[in-house]
Amino acid sequence: AQTVTQSQPEMSVQEAETVTLSCTYDTSESNYYLFWYKQPPSRQMILVIRQEAYKQQNATENRFSVNFQKAAKSFSLKISDSQLGDTAMYFCAFILNYGGATNKLIFGTGTLLAVQP
Amino acid sequence: DAGVIQSPRHEVTEMGQEVTLRCKPISGHDYLFWYRQTMMRGLELLIYFNNNVPIDDSGMPEDRFSAKMPNASFSTLKIQPSEPRDSAVYFCASSLRASGNTIYFGEGSWLTVV
Repeated sequence: AQTVTQSQPEMSVQEAETVTLSCTYDTSESNYYLFWYKQPPSRQMILVIRQEAYKQQNATENRFSVNFQKAAKSFSLKISDSQLGDTAMYFCAFILNYGGATNKLIFGTGTLLAVQP
Repeated sequence: DAGVIQSPRHEVTEMGQEVTLRCKPISGHDYLFWYRQTMMRGLELLIYFNNNVPIDDSGMPEDRFSAKMPNASFSTLKIQPSEPRDSAVYFCASSLRASGNTIYFGEGSWLTVV
């Protein structure tokens, strides 16, 4: 069975600084996708960034980037130039890729990030 | 383009009443998911559909829960009878097979059963 672990329940960062959120996962499969979702107080789930396991290059979306270490099964999220609007719960998620068919999205328990002014 | 649309956004109901949550997936998406989020259990997949057909309902907690997808643009999640422990945020989400498994969520339906 696949699992996703986020070992940091809460984190805090000063505005404009950089913070890294950790995520590890466990799978025996080689073809999968990884995601980071953001959930602000409104409770909406917002996709932040996506990484295909077959790609060695780390995904980047503006101030958000990942450090994907496939051998270590690690998928951390780096937020640069943190802004107050980044305050949210962040979920790491994993999905297997069976010939392109969608499967279950498995979530970690989340990291609550507070950006301090 | 419109995202996943859920209704109602908030519902408060009395124990024993029937609750129906509604979802309109993103147009053209062929997968639809129902998730439940609680403090105790986090995000749980309840059921998902492919081309309107239920594929995996192993996450549906018990017979009080049922889900249908009569067409490609509409799905319902029904709880009958509702219980206080059903209080949670229920998310509907959709994806397109060709888009590489990216799943897009609705804003959620916040259910309180008193």
